[in-house]
Amino acid sequence: GAGVSQTPSNKVTEKGKYVELRCDPISGHTALYWYRQSLGQGPEFLIYFQGTGAADDSGLPNDRFFAVRPEGSVSTLKIQRTERGDSAVYLCASSPMSGMHYNEQFFGPGTRLTVL
Amino acid sequence: AQTVTQSQPEMSVQEAETVTLSCTYDTSESNYYLFWYKQPPSRQMILVIRQEAYKQQNATENRFSVNFQKAAKSFSLKISDSQLGDTAMYFCAFMRASGGATNKLIFGTGTLLAVQP
Repeated sequence: GAGVSQTPSNKVTEKGKYVELRCDPISGHTALYWYRQSLGQGPEFLIYFQGTGAADDSGLPNDRFFAVRPEGSVSTLKIQRTERGDSAVYLCASSPMSGMHYNEQFFGPGTRLTVL
Repeated sequence: AQTVTQSQPEMSVQEAETVTLSCTYDTSESNYYLFWYKQPPSRQMILVIRQEAYKQQNATENRFSVNFQKAAKSFSLKISDSQLGDTAMYFCAFMRASGGATNKLIFGTGTLLAVQP
């Protein structure tokens, strides 16, 4: 079956602009995670959804970052008034909450965001 | 707070040889999971192997095996018969297993492995 997909693959924007990053999880996966990976670093947790609700948004760096998952499937990460420091690869992962792959996170290819 | 440390930024190995990547972690939790992920230049994170902390037996997946030392909080990855396709960044990761936990992954900074022909 299809894996986790993320669009766009790359996004270049100017400082101060608004961007939306999309994640399509594996069908049937109720848990969805967003991570941010800066150059030369490991991914860092941003937010976790269980179904439609954000169960843990403790990793969001500030109120310019927001994410939604209105129907419990596709999720959108939104960044307002982008800053150069927001430049990174944004990774999405989904996870089944039962079965043999319980707790295993399946990652998408990421969106590379560059803020000029 | 949990932390994961990978002290080897880069490593190199000859094709068909064996290499071991190191990882240590710090936690006060008794129940947790540990993972090794591979990230090739395509950016796609691929799960290599997982270990449940309550299991004493070390996990193995074909050419990949771990040496899990719970008391020492050490979780190294051994790659046998290295192949050119193993060239990638390798990340060690920790996940709490407590009920109601977010199950977020906490990653180390990674080890860049180069397999030489």
